Amino acid sequence: KAGVTQTPRYLIKTRGQQVTLSCSPISGHRSVSWYQQTPGQGLQFLFEYFSETQRNKGNFPGRFSGRQFSNSRSEMNVSTLELGDSALYLCASTSQTGNTGELFFGEGSRLTVL
Amino acid sequence: KNEVEQSPQNLTAQEGEFITINCSYSVGISALHWLQQHPGGGIVSLFMLSSGKKKHGRLIATINIQEKHSSLHITASHPRDSAVYICAVSPIQGAQKLVFGQGTRLTINP
Repeated sequence: KAGVTQTPRYLIKTRGQQVTLSCSPISGHRSVSWYQQTPGQGLQFLFEYFSETQRNKGNFPGRFSGRQFSNSRSEMNVSTLELGDSALYLCASTSQTGNTGELFFGEGSRLTVL
Repeated sequence: KNEVEQSPQNLTAQEGEFITINCSYSVGISALHWLQQHPGGGIVSLFMLSSGKKKHGRLIATINIQEKHSSLHITASHPRDSAVYICAVSPIQGAQKLVFGQGTRLTINP
């Protein structure tokens, strides 16, 4: 069974640009959540999607957005990039339809903003 | 004060030692997760707990819901256990909205 796949793994952008990251969950998993990891703030929850609907959202500005497709693949977008957006972006999927379940993480997308 | 506090932040031990990492939280939770992160970034879920105790190989996780406290134990530690261990809680309201501890960096020397 393939794991959670995130693309791209590494990318470099400049301030003001926008970026789109992709996450393909484990087959059959319908919940996908996104997290940002920085040295200063650690891991922080961005948002969670279930069956194409955003169920939860963290405390991030509107520049951070996401969506989920009918095949459960998810994308997140960051517009008007700032230096502080440099981070490792992780997604995780779970098979549970309820609110708790073991999380399976991808390897992450490491974004550098210059 | 952070909602999830881990201790210690850094831990260095010799191979074979018994390791304990602690996690305290201040919110009502539906579950607590112990995660392992190796250099390079990938995160692996070790345990998900809502009560009692779980064991997997040399790893044991316990949780005391009344005291809002969990511990992760590693028996017969090995250099390959060197990693960052992260405690995360699923709040009752919005359980996928994980709240993370700051992590414990564990180094096991041969």
